[in-house]
Amino acid sequence: DTAVSQTPKYLVTQMGNDKSIKCEQNLGHDTMYWYKQDSKKFLKIMFSYNNKELIINETVPNRFSPKSPDKAHLNLHINSLELGDSAVYFCASSQDPVDEQYFGPGTRLTVT
Amino acid sequence: AQSVTQPDIHITVSEGASLELRCNYSYGATPYLFWYVQSPGQGLQLLLKYFSGDTLVQGIKGFEAEFKRSQSSFNLRKPSVHWSDAAEYFCAVNNNNDMRFGAGTRLTVKP
Repeated sequence: DTAVSQTPKYLVTQMGNDKSIKCEQNLGHDTMYWYKQDSKKFLKIMFSYNNKELIINETVPNRFSPKSPDKAHLNLHINSLELGDSAVYFCASSQDPVDEQYFGPGTRLTVT
Repeated sequence: AQSVTQPDIHITVSEGASLELRCNYSYGATPYLFWYVQSPGQGLQLLLKYFSGDTLVQGIKGFEAEFKRSQSSFNLRKPSVHWSDAAEYFCAVNNNNDMRFGAGTRLTVKP
């Protein structure tokens, strides 16, 4: 009964490919997030959705597109992958935008 | 600019010793404050949070943190560190629905 789950856990792909990472939460939360953690462990927010509406869209390339089919899911699609996209991507959720966030286990993306 | 600063990139303590991890923020008003821990290969787990009220906050795993408004700080403490506490620790600040994380402090525990 994992609270926030992500698939896949590992993703190795070549430059130029398109890939998706899926995220699901079973906590009944209204807000979901995507973060990117680089090799130095720096955690940067990418997107935030509240009730399926985009509320934060940091300066990320438009090759990254979040999709929220319902409140329990927030998927991340990445087009034309580049070497610099290699990182660990975390999904998180919270009851509302100010409350504590619950994190998924992460997806390690390696672009070769 | 609004920011969250964790001055110590890496700290090493002996098992059983006390621990203090520093966190400072620069925001106009008092934001909501959090400490998270990340074990290797894992996601982040909440240790404790401060929204208002008593400035000394108790968390899980024997951790506590103290909010000091005058110093814009929210330092994390533990009286006696266990080997299993070795991990990366992140301070986070939520100001007006915008959550920002510090760069993290890596804790190494010596036997």
